[in-house]
Amino acid sequence: EAQVTQNPRYLITVTGKKLTVTCSQNMNHEYMSWYRQDPGLGLRQIYYSMNVEVTDKGDVPEGYKVSRKEKRNFPLILESPSPNQTSLYFCASSPDRDYGYTFGSGTRLTVV
Amino acid sequence: EDQVTQSPEALRLQEGESSSLNCSYTVSGLRGLFWYRQDPGKGPEFLFTLYSAGEEKEKERLKATLTKKESFLHITAPKPEDSATYLCAVQKAAGNKLTFGGGTRVLVKP
Repeated sequence: EAQVTQNPRYLITVTGKKLTVTCSQNMNHEYMSWYRQDPGLGLRQIYYSMNVEVTDKGDVPEGYKVSRKEKRNFPLILESPSPNQTSLYFCASSPDRDYGYTFGSGTRLTVV
Repeated sequence: EDQVTQSPEALRLQEGESSSLNCSYTVSGLRGLFWYRQDPGKGPEFLFTLYSAGEEKEKERLKATLTKKESFLHITAPKPEDSATYLCAVQKAAGNKLTFGGGTRVLVKP
């Protein structure tokens, strides 16, 4: 089944403890992207990648890092999480910039 | 700054009562406008991409149209299973950024 898989689905962590949210797609898509979704603010793009080793900032990149060492994987790294990064995170992939993204099921992160 | 505004924020419909959702945008150099559907607790699901003014796309009871300043998503004779949040997003000609609107929550009552 063609899909984008994120792990974990739920995570509660403490301020300052480094964490990684994994994202993997099995569709051989070139483009991958991370979003956060917050009530009243909607979906906002954090980072995106056009191909292996090619990444760029979205609208809200502060406090996040990404890497694209393999085509299928695009992990999101929070080096020192803070409570304002509590959010619902989505990873997505697309074969081409003109195609719609396929989204993962989301990761609900709580930073206390 | 790119802006995408969706209206109304929420819409309650009776089954069979057709309606339209609006997505107005200001962006320099639009490459494409995307419509997504999002069910509670799930990731958005891609519906349509529109590229130029006058373009229309259809899928079952949904029809999306595009002008130079806005897009409409028409829901014809909706059913309860059409209840969801509908999101639009714009992509500029340069780069790969997607800017989303706040969404319209649609509830279709039987």
